[in-house]
Amino acid sequence: EAQVTQNPRYLITVTGKKLTVTCSQNMNHEYMSWYRQDPGLGLRQIYYSMNVEVTDKGDVPEGYKVSRKEKRNFPLILESPSPNQTSLYFCASTSQGLTHGYTFGSGTRLTVV
Amino acid sequence: ILNVEQSPQSLHVQEGDSTNFTCSFPSSNFYALHWYRWETAKSPEALFVMTLNGDEKKKGRISATLNTKEGYSYLYIKGSQPEDSATYLCALGDDKVIFGPGTSLSVIP
Repeated sequence: EAQVTQNPRYLITVTGKKLTVTCSQNMNHEYMSWYRQDPGLGLRQIYYSMNVEVTDKGDVPEGYKVSRKEKRNFPLILESPSPNQTSLYFCASTSQGLTHGYTFGSGTRLTVV
Repeated sequence: ILNVEQSPQSLHVQEGDSTNFTCSFPSSNFYALHWYRWETAKSPEALFVMTLNGDEKKKGRISATLNTKEGYSYLYIKGSQPEDSATYLCALGDDKVIFGPGTSLSVIP
């Protein structure tokens, strides 16, 4: 089944403790992206990657890192999480050229206390 | 930052009514426009991707049109059903993909 797999689904952590949210897709998509969703603010793009070893900042990249060492994986790294990073995170992928819609992962609900 | 707007913010309709929403965007540098349907507690699902001025797409009772010269797209739902209740998002961009705030639709049985 074609899908984007995110892990974990839920995570509660403490301020400053480094964490990684994994994202993997099995559709051979070139383009992958991370979004956060906050009430009243909609989906905001954190980082995106157009292909292996090519990443770029979205609209809200502060406090996040990403890497794209393999085509299928695009992990989101929070080096020192803070409470303002409490949010619902989505990973998404699509084929090159963005002429097809995104396939989204199931989401990761992160709480930083 | 590219600004994508959607209206109305929310909509309540009776079962069987037809309805439509609007997505507005800057008409310059257009590349592609996406429509998504997002049900509560699920992930957004792609409905349509449109790239050309005048594009029209249809999936069952849902259809969409695109006017890139004036910077808007309409999404139409014919004969709304309770299962159509969801938030409908449009997204625009090429490298960066920017989502609008969405239109929340509630269909009352």
